[in-house]
Amino acid sequence: GESVGLHLPTLSVQEGDNSIINCAYSNSASDYFIWYKQESGKGPQFIIDIRSNMDKRQGQRVTVLLNKTVKHLSLQIAATQPGDSAVYFCAENFSGSARQLTFGSGTQLTVLP
Amino acid sequence: DAGVTQSPTHLIKTRGQHVTLRCSPISGHKSVSWYQQVLGQGPQFIFQYYEKEERGRGNFPDRFSARQFPNYSSELNVNALLLGDSALYLCASSWEGQPNTEAFFGQGTRLTVV
Repeated sequence: GESVGLHLPTLSVQEGDNSIINCAYSNSASDYFIWYKQESGKGPQFIIDIRSNMDKRQGQRVTVLLNKTVKHLSLQIAATQPGDSAVYFCAENFSGSARQLTFGSGTQLTVLP
Repeated sequence: DAGVTQSPTHLIKTRGQHVTLRCSPISGHKSVSWYQQVLGQGPQFIFQYYEKEERGRGNFPDRFSARQFPNYSSELNVNALLLGDSALYLCASSWEGQPNTEAFFGQGTRLTVV
């Protein structure tokens, strides 16, 4: 089946730097994408979402970019903080299906002091 | 406001046993989905329920079943447990049955099968 994958399993950044986490998706019919943050022992926490009719969406310190041509999604975190250390997942959904999110395997972000 | 609540938080079962996991969605949310997350991997979709009806089923064996109650809470049942069923089981709720709405996850139930 089709699935969402991530380019890098781990990412280390210096505190204060910007982080970029990438994601490739394979289902061209997917029209809704979400980034989740998961800390150890906790459930995934919603960060930001984007619909396929957009190519960029900004939140507080985070920006999601969607490139449908190459089926690529990225999450940018500005001024990365120690509290941003976690595993980040991208997830995709096709509105023709049930409320079924397809997750990638995740990227472990470590913020260095 | 209470978020999605799941119980129990941790559970240890023996192979062959049966387990029931419970989920209470955010107040006002009518859609509940269940996911299995094996250590080191992303969550995998098991079921979605909306207004007490099954709306979707992932690629899981018939040992897995679920239901949703009139108050929109949900139970996930797993029969004849296998070692490979050891995972974090996550429940997510959303406002309605439409796919393109934000899904909120609970803390999960950590199931260990020995």
